[in-house]
Amino acid sequence: EIVLTQSPGTLSLSPGERATLSCRASQSVDSNYLAWYQQKPGQAPRLLIYGASTRATGIPDRFSGSGSGTDFTLTISRLEPEDFALYYCQQYGSSPWTFGQGTKVEIK
Amino acid sequence: EVQLVQSGAEVKKPGESLKMSCKTSGYRFPGYWIGWVRQMPGKGLEWMGVIYPGDSDTRYSPSFEGQVTISADKSVSTAYLQWSSLKASDTAMYYCARRGQLGGFDYWGQGTLVSVSS
Repeated sequence: EIVLTQSPGTLSLSPGERATLSCRASQSVDSNYLAWYQQKPGQAPRLLIYGASTRATGIPDRFSGSGSGTDFTLTISRLEPEDFALYYCQQYGSSPWTFGQGTKVEIK
Repeated sequence: EVQLVQSGAEVKKPGESLKMSCKTSGYRFPGYWIGWVRQMPGKGLEWMGVIYPGDSDTRYSPSFEGQVTISADKSVSTAYLQWSSLKASDTAMYYCARRGQLGGFDYWGQGTLVSVSS
């Protein structure tokens, strides 16, 4: 089973700042099958990025994904008020399709 | 429009059984993996398993294998998650989600809240 470790656990930033979230895998993720999700309180998660770097439909271009192998990054170029939320990475290259434990982006 | 609509909240006692549903519409049900994700109160997302309705290929997380059963009925475009004997530790929100052709869970149900208490 691939274990995904996200860091930091919490990111305290101000609107307009850049957010950099990390997701490290315990072994290489097949075909860069790595996704990022956003979850707000009381809501289902929303897919942001798949294939490590492809934005899902309707996702603003301030969200970008990068990385390969075992190290992946989600970058939010300029935080908008609606971006303060929880973020999860997930690998779907090998079963079980595990999630990271999440990074909370909070308002400083 | 793709939609996944889950069955309503459940309040159960330990030892009881439960089968929840995820009714889909707006796409070709047999052609996409459907997964189930648990979220315990105040905690993160846990991948439970997936099913490919086209051939009923089913994969489980080791953490959930033997504890739950995932199934699908192509005739009604619906996936199911069931327990034969609930525990208090099964109290959680459960989401179904569709895996997109290019990867990632691109559509999610609204969630089903399960509360198990004596």
